[in-house]
Amino acid sequence: NAGVTQTPKFRVLKTGQSMTLLCAQDMNHEYMYWYRQDPGMGLRLIHYSVGEGTTAKGEVPDGYNVSRLKKQNFLLGLESAAPSQTSVYFCASSYFLSEKLFFGSGTQLSVL
Amino acid sequence: AQTVTQSQPEMSVQEAETVTLSCTYDTSENNYYLFWYKQPPSRQMILVIRQEAYKQQNATENRFSVNFQKAAKSFSLKISDSQLGDTAMYFCAFMIMNRDDKIIFGKGTRLHILP
Repeated sequence: NAGVTQTPKFRVLKTGQSMTLLCAQDMNHEYMYWYRQDPGMGLRLIHYSVGEGTTAKGEVPDGYNVSRLKKQNFLLGLESAAPSQTSVYFCASSYFLSEKLFFGSGTQLSVL
Repeated sequence: AQTVTQSQPEMSVQEAETVTLSCTYDTSENNYYLFWYKQPPSRQMILVIRQEAYKQQNATENRFSVNFQKAAKSFSLKISDSQLGDTAMYFCAFMIMNRDDKIIFGKGTRLHILP
């Protein structure tokens, strides 16, 4: 089992560029999440999904969009990247809400 | 809004000692779950321990145990006989059942185990 796979692992963008981060899980999980991790801020929830075709806003959704067209994939988009979006992004999934989260290995994004 | 507070940004202890990491949370709900996650330098997030709020008994996983004080809204993690491999960032997390399906994390405590 691959678990939760995030692509890409590293990316450097210029201000104003767009990009999409892909999260794929092969565990048939219903719940999927996007977090960002910044020094001193912990993990903050950007968007999440409770099933195929659903999305919801988390704590810090501004500047990001998401889609869950297929159950196994959860995409995070940055339409116009800003330096404030420089961060490490983690995708996570779980089958039941109360069960443990399975995390991807993270994406290091730098916006110059 | 629910919040999770970890008041110790960084801690250091000698190998083989016992260390306690604190976590408090704020909610008016009664049915929720609490978690401790570990993030070693590899950056991979690992679940350490999980506690259901309706259970009075404190959860234990080998050298890791929690002190869950529901009335005080406190959920501390105790690591016994600490090992060098315990060096990591530790995050407390919180989730309310049947409400908004979100898992909220604290800001973390960086733990250094010294040889």
